[in-house]
Amino acid sequence: QVQLQESGPGLVKPSETLSLTCTVSGGSISSYYWSWIRQPAGKGLEWIGRIYTSGSTNYNPSLKSRVTMSVDTSKNQFSLKLSSVTAADTAVYYCAREGQQLIDYWGQGTLVTVSS
Amino acid sequence: SYVLTQPPSVSVAPGKTARITCGGNNIGSKSVHWYQQKPGQAPVLVIYYDSDRPSGIPERFSGSNSGNTATLTISRVEAGDEADYYCQVWDSSSVVFGGGTKLTVL
Repeated sequence: QVQLQESGPGLVKPSETLSLTCTVSGGSISSYYWSWIRQPAGKGLEWIGRIYTSGSTNYNPSLKSRVTMSVDTSKNQFSLKLSSVTAADTAVYYCAREGQQLIDYWGQGTLVTVSS
Repeated sequence: SYVLTQPPSVSVAPGKTARITCGGNNIGSKSVHWYQQKPGQAPVLVIYYDSDRPSGIPERFSGSNSGNTATLTISRVEAGDEADYYCQVWDSSSVVFGGGTKLTVL
């Protein structure tokens, strides 16, 4: 059973860079797309982007200028960086596996608050 | 960008049938997936490729997709079905979610 676990700071200051890592266990990270999805409190799901194990990426156009994703296959991890954050970036961030155009495995989510 | 429209809320009495719609331009030409999310939990896939059910999902959950509307149908609704439901498609190399529908069991 594939499991995903997000890790990273729960508090980020405005204008700084949010950094999260997702560790995949119970299966190889290879040959899949890996996504980041976020959800502000009381609101819906927003797809941030995806990375393939080759390093190829696709980003949500609305966030593209601030997003960078990377993957480390040796550690079975992939990462998200979101720059120049504001309070609007406060949300629960999920890492997830994308299989055949759907999300089949989700992490438990981690709350990131942007505040000084 | 592609937009998916869901009603914010749907209410249904226990034992009745709930229908949650997901509207999009010619959505019938796309594959639609549905997720259930309970408070404080990650979403769970309940329907994929319009009408398939993952293992462990009750047969009470079904889906259809035609024209400009996809529909998630929950038969014989139970209290435990109360949750937020999201539709999702893949469009132009992006994952697109609907705004979500809160299902209330009266």
